[in-house]
Amino acid sequence: DAKTTQPNSMESNEEEPVHLPCNHSTISGTDYIHWYRQLPSQGPEYVIHGLTSNVNNRMASLAIAEDRKSSTLILHRATLRDAAVYYCILRVNTGNQFYFGTGTSLTVIP
Amino acid sequence: DTGVSQNPRHKITKRGQNVTFRCDPISEHNRLYWYRQTLGQGPEFLTYFQNEAQLEKSRLLSDRFSAERPKGSFSTLEIQRTEQGDSAMYLCASSLDLGAVEKLFFGSGTQLSVL
Repeated sequence: DAKTTQPNSMESNEEEPVHLPCNHSTISGTDYIHWYRQLPSQGPEYVIHGLTSNVNNRMASLAIAEDRKSSTLILHRATLRDAAVYYCILRVNTGNQFYFGTGTSLTVIP
Repeated sequence: DTGVSQNPRHKITKRGQNVTFRCDPISEHNRLYWYRQTLGQGPEFLTYFQNEAQLEKSRLLSDRFSAERPKGSFSTLEIQRTEQGDSAMYLCASSLDLGAVEKLFFGSGTQLSVL
Protein backbone atom coordinates (compact mmCIF):
# COMPACT_ATOMS: atom_id res chain seq x y z
CA ASP A 1 0.00 0.00 0.00
CA ALA A 2 1.20 3.48 -0.83
CA LYS A 3 1.93 5.05 2.56
CA THR A 4 1.20 8.55 3.84
CA THR A 5 1.72 10.03 7.30
CA GLN A 6 -0.42 12.81 8.76
CA PRO A 7 -0.84 14.32 12.23
CA ASN A 8 -3.82 12.88 14.07
CA SER A 9 -5.37 16.25 14.83
CA MET A 10 -4.98 19.98 14.35
CA GLU A 11 -6.80 23.10 15.50
CA SER A 12 -7.33 26.40 13.78
CA ASN A 13 -9.09 29.62 14.58
CA GLU A 14 -11.94 30.60 12.34
CA GLU A 15 -11.00 32.81 9.38
CA GLU A 16 -7.30 32.00 9.71
CA PRO A 17 -5.29 29.94 7.21
CA VAL A 18 -4.72 26.25 7.93
CA HIS A 19 -1.79 24.21 6.69
CA LEU A 20 -2.34 20.46 6.82
CA PRO A 21 0.89 18.48 6.27
CA CYS A 22 1.37 15.06 4.73
CA ASN A 23 4.52 12.99 4.37
CA HIS A 24 4.80 10.47 1.55
CA SER A 25 8.49 9.58 1.36
CA THR A 26 7.87 6.41 -0.68
CA ILE A 27 6.13 8.26 -3.51
CA SER A 28 7.16 7.23 -7.00
CA GLY A 29 7.40 9.41 -10.06
CA THR A 30 3.93 8.75 -11.44
CA ASP A 31 1.96 8.75 -8.18
CA TYR A 32 -0.60 11.52 -7.80
CA ILE A 33 -1.29 13.15 -4.44
CA HIS A 34 -5.00 13.35 -3.64
CA TRP A 35 -6.79 14.97 -0.73
CA TYR A 36 -10.25 14.09 0.46
CA ARG A 37 -12.16 15.30 3.49
CA GLN A 38 -14.94 13.71 5.49
CA LEU A 39 -17.50 15.83 7.28
CA PRO A 40 -19.34 14.28 10.24
CA SER A 41 -21.89 11.63 9.22
CA GLN A 42 -20.99 11.90 5.53
CA GLY A 43 -18.86 10.02 3.05
CA PRO A 44 -15.51 11.51 2.02
CA GLU A 45 -15.48 14.20 -0.64
CA TYR A 46 -12.77 15.12 -3.12
CA VAL A 47 -10.78 18.26 -2.32
CA ILE A 48 -7.82 18.51 -4.68
CA HIS A 49 -5.06 16.55 -6.37
CA GLY A 50 -1.67 17.20 -7.92
CA LEU A 51 1.45 15.59 -9.38
CA THR A 52 4.37 18.00 -9.22
CA SER A 53 3.19 21.61 -9.43
CA ASN A 54 1.22 23.48 -6.83
CA VAL A 55 -2.51 23.48 -7.50
CA ASN A 56 -5.36 25.79 -6.59
CA ASN A 57 -9.10 25.31 -6.76
CA ARG A 58 -12.13 26.89 -5.13
CA MET A 59 -11.80 24.73 -2.04
CA ALA A 60 -8.09 24.76 -1.27
CA SER A 61 -4.51 24.93 -2.47
CA LEU A 62 -2.03 22.07 -2.63
CA ALA A 63 1.65 22.81 -2.17
CA ILE A 64 3.97 19.97 -3.22
CA ALA A 65 7.59 19.84 -2.09
CA GLU A 66 10.22 19.87 -4.80
CA ASP A 67 11.28 16.29 -3.98
CA ARG A 68 7.59 15.29 -3.74
CA LYS A 69 8.16 13.54 -0.43
CA SER A 70 5.71 15.82 1.30
CA SER A 71 2.77 18.06 0.55
CA THR A 72 0.58 20.59 2.35
CA LEU A 73 -3.11 21.24 1.95
CA ILE A 74 -3.86 24.91 2.52
CA LEU A 75 -7.26 26.23 3.50
CA HIS A 76 -6.93 29.96 3.08
CA ARG A 77 -9.62 31.01 5.55
CA ALA A 78 -10.95 28.27 7.78
CA THR A 79 -14.68 28.29 8.45
CA LEU A 80 -16.67 26.18 10.89
CA ARG A 81 -17.84 24.11 7.91
CA ASP A 82 -14.25 23.07 7.26
CA ALA A 83 -14.17 21.01 10.46
CA ALA A 84 -13.61 17.52 9.12
CA VAL A 85 -11.13 14.67 8.82
CA TYR A 86 -8.69 15.34 5.97
CA TYR A 87 -7.11 12.40 4.16
CA CYS A 88 -3.94 12.54 2.09
CA ILE A 89 -3.79 9.69 -0.42
CA LEU A 90 -1.25 8.51 -2.95
CA ARG A 91 -2.96 7.40 -6.12
CA VAL A 92 -0.60 4.99 -7.84
CA ASN A 93 -0.88 5.02 -11.60
CA THR A 94 -0.74 1.25 -11.84
CA GLY A 95 -3.17 0.58 -9.04
CA ASN A 96 -6.91 0.75 -8.87
CA GLN A 97 -7.47 1.61 -5.25
CA PHE A 98 -7.52 4.63 -3.02
CA TYR A 99 -5.94 3.83 0.33
CA PHE A 100 -7.13 6.07 3.14
CA GLY A 101 -5.08 6.34 6.31
CA THR A 102 -6.50 7.71 9.56
CA GLY A 103 -6.27 11.31 8.36
CA THR A 104 -6.06 14.58 10.29
CA SER A 105 -9.04 15.68 12.31
CA LEU A 106 -9.34 19.45 11.95
CA THR A 107 -11.11 21.44 14.64
CA VAL A 108 -12.06 25.03 13.82
CA ILE A 109 -12.43 27.28 16.82
CA PRO A 110 -14.94 30.14 16.55
CA ASP B 1 -28.38 13.39 -10.96
CA THR B 2 -28.24 13.82 -7.20
CA GLY B 3 -25.09 11.82 -6.60
CA VAL B 4 -24.40 8.41 -5.11
CA SER B 5 -27.32 6.97 -3.19
CA GLN B 6 -27.09 4.26 -0.54
CA ASN B 7 -29.91 2.38 1.13
CA PRO B 8 -30.71 1.84 3.85
CA ARG B 9 -29.00 4.59 5.87
CA HIS B 10 -29.13 2.47 9.00
CA LYS B 11 -29.51 -1.26 9.58
CA ILE B 12 -29.78 -3.03 12.90
CA THR B 13 -29.64 -6.80 12.82
CA LYS B 14 -29.06 -9.74 15.10
CA ARG B 15 -25.93 -11.80 14.93
CA GLY B 16 -26.27 -14.60 12.40
CA GLN B 17 -28.75 -12.81 10.15
CA ASN B 18 -28.05 -11.86 6.54
CA VAL B 19 -28.12 -8.25 5.40
CA THR B 20 -28.00 -6.60 1.98
CA PHE B 21 -27.10 -3.03 1.13
CA ARG B 22 -27.73 -1.23 -2.12
CA CYS B 23 -25.72 1.46 -3.88
CA ASP B 24 -26.92 3.51 -6.85
CA PRO B 25 -23.93 5.25 -8.45
CA ILE B 26 -23.84 8.40 -10.57
CA SER B 27 -25.33 7.20 -13.83
CA GLU B 28 -22.43 7.67 -16.22
CA HIS B 29 -19.79 6.30 -13.84
CA ASN B 30 -18.26 2.99 -14.86
CA ARG B 31 -16.44 2.25 -11.60
CA LEU B 32 -18.01 1.41 -8.28
CA TYR B 33 -16.19 0.86 -4.99
CA TRP B 34 -17.20 -0.51 -1.60
CA TYR B 35 -15.39 0.59 1.56
CA ARG B 36 -15.89 -0.15 5.23
CA GLN B 37 -15.23 2.36 7.99
CA THR B 38 -15.12 1.83 11.73
CA LEU B 39 -15.09 4.57 14.34
CA GLY B 40 -11.90 6.63 14.33
CA GLN B 41 -10.48 4.91 11.28
CA GLY B 42 -10.30 5.86 7.64
CA PRO B 43 -12.29 3.97 5.02
CA GLU B 44 -10.89 0.51 4.21
CA PHE B 45 -11.14 -0.79 0.66
CA LEU B 46 -13.32 -3.88 0.20
CA THR B 47 -13.87 -4.34 -3.52
CA TYR B 48 -14.45 -2.53 -6.79
CA PHE B 49 -16.21 -3.04 -10.11
CA GLN B 50 -15.39 -1.84 -13.57
CA ASN B 51 -18.82 -1.89 -15.22
CA GLU B 52 -20.26 -5.28 -14.19
CA ALA B 53 -16.92 -7.00 -13.62
CA GLN B 54 -15.62 -7.31 -10.07
CA LEU B 55 -11.92 -6.68 -10.60
CA GLU B 56 -10.42 -6.67 -7.14
CA LYS B 57 -11.29 -7.86 -3.65
CA SER B 58 -9.55 -7.03 -0.42
CA ARG B 59 -8.39 -9.66 2.06
CA LEU B 60 -10.93 -8.03 4.38
CA LEU B 61 -13.72 -9.43 2.21
CA SER B 62 -14.30 -12.82 3.79
CA ASP B 63 -16.39 -15.50 2.12
CA ARG B 64 -19.40 -14.24 4.07
CA PHE B 65 -19.33 -11.10 1.95
CA SER B 66 -20.50 -10.95 -1.63
CA ALA B 67 -20.95 -8.01 -3.95
CA GLU B 68 -22.64 -7.78 -7.31
CA ARG B 69 -23.17 -5.15 -9.95
CA PRO B 70 -25.56 -6.59 -12.49
CA LYS B 71 -25.63 -4.75 -15.81
CA GLY B 72 -23.02 -2.33 -14.54
CA SER B 73 -25.55 -0.11 -12.82
CA PHE B 74 -26.49 -0.40 -9.13
CA SER B 75 -24.57 -2.65 -6.78
CA THR B 76 -25.45 -4.76 -3.77
CA LEU B 77 -23.26 -5.86 -0.90
CA GLU B 78 -24.51 -8.86 1.07
CA ILE B 79 -23.15 -10.07 4.39
CA GLN B 80 -24.19 -13.54 5.42
CA ARG B 81 -24.24 -14.81 9.02
CA THR B 82 -23.38 -11.38 10.41
CA GLU B 83 -20.99 -11.09 13.33
CA GLN B 84 -20.60 -8.26 15.82
CA GLY B 85 -17.28 -7.38 14.19
CA ASP B 86 -19.17 -6.52 11.01
CA SER B 87 -20.63 -3.46 12.71
CA ALA B 88 -19.36 -0.51 10.72
CA MET B 89 -20.27 2.14 8.18
CA TYR B 90 -20.34 0.69 4.66
CA LEU B 91 -19.53 3.30 2.04
CA CYS B 92 -20.06 3.15 -1.69
CA ALA B 93 -18.27 5.37 -4.19
CA SER B 94 -18.44 5.72 -7.94
CA SER B 95 -16.13 7.26 -10.50
CA LEU B 96 -15.11 7.51 -14.10
CA ASP B 97 -12.02 5.50 -14.96
CA LEU B 98 -9.50 8.31 -15.48
CA GLY B 99 -6.39 6.61 -14.19
CA ALA B 100 -4.38 8.45 -11.58
CA VAL B 101 -6.62 11.54 -11.75
CA GLU B 102 -9.77 9.54 -11.04
CA LYS B 103 -12.05 11.18 -8.45
CA LEU B 104 -14.30 9.22 -6.13
CA PHE B 105 -17.81 10.37 -5.33
CA PHE B 106 -19.09 8.82 -2.13
CA GLY B 107 -22.55 8.15 -0.82
CA SER B 108 -23.51 8.86 2.78
CA GLY B 109 -23.09 5.22 3.74
CA THR B 110 -25.08 2.50 5.46
CA GLN B 111 -24.47 2.20 9.19
CA LEU B 112 -24.68 -1.45 10.25
CA SER B 113 -25.13 -2.45 13.88
CA VAL B 114 -24.98 -6.16 14.69
CA LEU B 115 -26.42 -6.99 18.10
